[in-house]
Amino acid sequence: GAVVSQHPSWVICKSGTSVKIECRSLDFQATTMFWYRQFPKQSLMLMATSNEGSKATYEQGVEKDKFLINHASLTLSTLTVTSAHPEDSSFYICSASDPGQGRRTQYFGPGTRLLVL
Amino acid sequence: AQSVTQPDIHITVSEGASLELRCNYSYGATPYLFWYVQSPGQGLQLLLKYFSGDTLVQGIKGFEAEFKRSQSSFNLRKPSVHWSDAAEYFCAVGENAGNMLTFGGGTRLMVKP
Repeated sequence: GAVVSQHPSWVICKSGTSVKIECRSLDFQATTMFWYRQFPKQSLMLMATSNEGSKATYEQGVEKDKFLINHASLTLSTLTVTSAHPEDSSFYICSASDPGQGRRTQYFGPGTRLLVL
Repeated sequence: AQSVTQPDIHITVSEGASLELRCNYSYGATPYLFWYVQSPGQGLQLLLKYFSGDTLVQGIKGFEAEFKRSQSSFNLRKPSVHWSDAAEYFCAVGENAGNMLTFGGGTRLMVKP
């Protein structure tokens, strides 16, 4: 149980285009999902908290107009990197909390590697 | 605000040897503590967690961790390391009100044959 998937697993795009990353909880409903960014050989940096049916809460320094988050259902959150630039290249990981586990445990997706040329 | 420190950036152990990865946290209340493992290019897998009760918690893959409040530590241990344990290990603390996690910087484990 508590499986989280991400799609795509990796993407290469041209500078200036937008990229959408999906995060799905496969066997549970997640009212809250989280989006992280990880640079090579570094720890995870929380970007935003995604709440189903409401606006995402962004961490300080994260541009909400740059990183659009939509949590339209209890099993799906999307992160759209708008007008991507090479500095947006990174590993993006989502996680979801399983209410059945008391909401305190986050289960992580496999990550999406984004390369902006 | 909470913080997590993993003092060892890299650790190398021989296969079959014991392992201890250190984790120290700073948090005002009783913390929720986690250890995750990440293989290259992969997401994070939960190894174990501590919420309350017995301070020695057992996890998957033969790992265990001990919560020591007096030392603000939650060190991860394994009695005999396997080559497949080579990975990046992250300690994290969760806040009480919501369920946001704060991660340590990670420890990269290498296993010598």
